[in-house]
Parts: sequence; structure tokens; C-alpha cells
Amino acid sequence: SQTIHQWPATLVQPVGSPLSLECTVEGTSNPNLYWYRQAAGRGLQLLFYSVGIGQISSEVPQNLSASRPQDRQFILSSKKLLLSDSGFYLCAWSWEGEQFFGPGTRLTVL
Amino acid sequence: QQPVQSPQAVILREGEDAVINCSSSKALYSVHWYRQKHGEAPVFLMILLKGGEQKGHEKISASFNEKKQQSSLYLTASQLSYSGTYFCGTEPGGSQGNLIFGKGTKLSVKP
Repeated sequence: SQTIHQWPATLVQPVGSPLSLECTVEGTSNPNLYWYRQAAGRGLQLLFYSVGIGQISSEVPQNLSASRPQDRQFILSSKKLLLSDSGFYLCAWSWEGEQFFGPGTRLTVL
Repeated sequence: QQPVQSPQAVILREGEDAVINCSSSKALYSVHWYRQKHGEAPVFLMILLKGGEQKGHEKISASFNEKKQQSSLYLTASQLSYSGTYFCGTEPGGSQGNLIFGKGTKLSVKP
């Protein structure tokens, strides 16, 4: 069966610090992968999606970037965090139209 | 482009019914429904493809009116476990499977 992992589960970072969030998927190959952000009490905002290794599409211009160094690994990064980067970050993979979400990382930027 | 969900919030007693609506200004290929409990990741409920189909999942069902670009989620005889925030995700034609999510509808079921 397929599983999706994210870490860390929670993170508190100062403004201006770098960020690296990791997502890995098991039990499937060449999945479409997604990064979403959910601000408190808000909907899901698609940040990046990837259809294959090294293929990243950005939906929203911002100070975040994504990389896919391996087939089942998706990384979200930032060189300098902003206060507005706080939120719940969710990684997801899709199969036949259905999206499966990881457990999420709750990021607080102080 | 973001679909509009209504109502924003609803409070029910156990056993009551509810309808959550999702409408888009763009032609849609499919509509997806998810439920999210507080502090947890969204969980997939169902997907509806264009063609006006209706689907059911236990006492939760949904319809998709392709012409009106609308979908409705029906919760009948609600249970305490139905509490959470419901999101619709719309897939415009040609979007390569990417979803645009609404802001969500918060459902609270009271005993």
C-alpha cells in the first residue's frame, strides 16, 4: 500500500532563517506530487506540483522553491523565511485523480 | 478562479441533514470533495467527473451539474464523526489534474 511521509511535524523558525521540508512517498512510482499551504482557518493553496524528477511547476510566485531530486522525494525550501510563511504545509500525491495528503508540517515563523 | 463554497459554516444536531454547495466560474472536468478534521490532513471523500453523475459514500452523497458548474455534497442523518471542514476541489479542463480548492465549509455536529 502507498504511504506518504512528511517531516518535521512541527517547526518554529525565526524570520530570515532558511527552511527545508521533506516529503517522501512509498509504494508507488512516478507519482504526481504537490505542495500546498493552508493558513489558519483558510483553504488549501497550491504552491508547487511535479510530474517527474526535476520537473517543478510553480503556481504562486514567492520566496519558496521546490525540488524533486528523486522519483518519490519532494522538498520545499526557502532561503529566508517571512512571517507570512507561517501555516500548515501539506504534501500530496495523486493517482487516477484522487489526491492523498501527508500528515503535514505546522510551521510558525516568529 | 477559486470555487465558492456555501455556507461558510453550519451547526447541526445529530441526525439532521445538511447540504454544502460548491460553484465555479470556469468549465469543470471534475469536482473532488475532502473532509479535514482540526489539525489533521484532508481526507478524500469522493470525486465526480463531468457527465452529471451522482455518487454516494455511506450517508454522504454528492452531485455534479456540469452545465451550471456546480456541485453539492449531501450529508444525511449526520453523525458526530461528520464534524470537520469540508473542501471542494475543482479541476478545470486542461489543468493536468491540478485542483483549486474552495475556502471550506465548517460543519459542527452537536449531540
